[in-house]
Amino acid sequence: QKEVEQDPGPLSVPEGAIVSLNCTYSNSAFQYFMWYRQYSRKGPELLMYTYSSGNKEDGRFTAQVDKSSKYISLFIRDSQPSDSATYLCAMSASAGGTSYGKLTFGQGTILTVHP
Amino acid sequence: GAGVSQSPSNKVTEKGKDVELRCDPISGHTALYWYRQSLGQGLEFLIYFQGNSAPDKSGLPSDRFSAERTGGSVSTLTIQRTQQEDSAVYLCASSPGIYSNQPQHFGDGTRLSIL
Repeated sequence: QKEVEQDPGPLSVPEGAIVSLNCTYSNSAFQYFMWYRQYSRKGPELLMYTYSSGNKEDGRFTAQVDKSSKYISLFIRDSQPSDSATYLCAMSASAGGTSYGKLTFGQGTILTVHP
Repeated sequence: GAGVSQSPSNKVTEKGKDVELRCDPISGHTALYWYRQSLGQGLEFLIYFQGNSAPDKSGLPSDRFSAERTGGSVSTLTIQRTQQEDSAVYLCASSPGIYSNQPQHFGDGTRLSIL
C-alpha cells in the first residue's frame, strides 16, 4: 500500500464548477501538506502549503487538512479552462532523522475544465 | 527572478550508455532535491543535498545512479549503463533550507528516453 493515495481520475468538469480533489495518507509523521499543479511537459508548481490541520484559502483555492482522518482536500471554485492540469498532493514529515524535506507524492489527478 | 533550471530538457540515448543530467537551483537555495517521475510510479524521491553533502541517498534505485553537487550550487545526476526502465522525467527542486517548512520549487525536468 502506498503511503499517499490519490484518485488519478481523470476528472472532467464544466467551466464554473467547484472541483474537489482529495488524498489520503497512512504515515502519521506527516505534518506539512502541499498541493502542486503540473501542466503538460512542465515541472510541478506549488499552489498551496499548509502545516498540520486546518484550512487555508488563496483566491479560488482552498486547502483543508484533517489529520485525525489522515485526509487532505483541495477545492477550486469557479473553475476555468486554464485550471486544466494534473494536481499532485505532497507531504513531508517534521524535521528529524533523514526525512528532512523529503516529499512523498500522490499519483496525481488529471483535471479537465471544458468551456 | 530565475527559477530552477535543468538541462538538457530532452535526452535520447541507447541502452548501455552513460548520461549526465544537470540542475541549477534558485540562487541562495542551500537544499537541492532530485525526483523521478514515471507513468507507473508517479513522482519518487531520489536524493537530496544540503550544501554539497547528500545525507539521504535512500531513493537511488541502484548503484548505477549517482549524484554530486559542487560549490553548493549546481548538481549533476549521473546514470551509468542506462537501462530501458530508466526512461522517465527527472525533476530537480530547490528550497532555502532542508526543513519541511521551506517549500520546494521545481524545474521543468529532463525527459530521458532509453532506446
